[in-house]
Amino acid sequence: DAGVTQSPTHLIKTRGQQVTLRCSPKSGHDTVSWYQQALGQGPQFIFQYYEEEERQRGNFPDRFSGHQFPNYSSELNVNALLLGDSALYLCASSLDRGRTEAFFGQGTRLTVV
Amino acid sequence: AQSVTQPDIHITVSEGASLELRCNYSYGATPYLFWYVQSPGQGLQLLLKYFSGDTLVQGIKGFEAEFKRSQSSFNLRKPSVHWSDAAEYFCAVVPMNRDDKIIFGKGTRLHILP
Repeated sequence: DAGVTQSPTHLIKTRGQQVTLRCSPKSGHDTVSWYQQALGQGPQFIFQYYEEEERQRGNFPDRFSGHQFPNYSSELNVNALLLGDSALYLCASSLDRGRTEAFFGQGTRLTVV
Repeated sequence: AQSVTQPDIHITVSEGASLELRCNYSYGATPYLFWYVQSPGQGLQLLLKYFSGDTLVQGIKGFEAEFKRSQSSFNLRKPSVHWSDAAEYFCAVVPMNRDDKIIFGKGTRLHILP
């Protein structure tokens, strides 16, 4: 079992650009959640996908959007990047809309310059 | 307001000493409770979880945590720390209302003295 895999591991973008991060959940998991972790902070919930729909959303602007595919993998898109979007983006997979333990990927380190 | 509080930002202990990391939550009903560990630049690894039942929970790497409903606490303990335990520790909850998202504390950075 490969666990939760995220790609890329690191990337650098310029302000105003758009970025897409990818996540493959743990085998058998149907729920994917995305978190943003700024330096020195705990992870903050962005949104959760279940059955290819966004089920919950945290306090993030519409510049943050996502998608879940039929194979349960997911993408996080961020438009019009700001310097403040620099962070570690973590994907978590779970069963049953998160009412069980979540498994996290290693994250994607996004740097906006 | 609903929150998860880890009052200690940094803790330093000597190798071989015992450890206790504090966590308090403020939610109406008992949430699901977790402790995660994060090494520098890495993702989060689940140490242990509490859903219901026995209030003393055993986890991986020799860690345990005790749920105390009266104190709304879920403190993490280890009887003897190893240098490899140096990391960031996050207490987290899943509130048992319509929201199933994980709410994290701000973390406690554990430093180990040789």
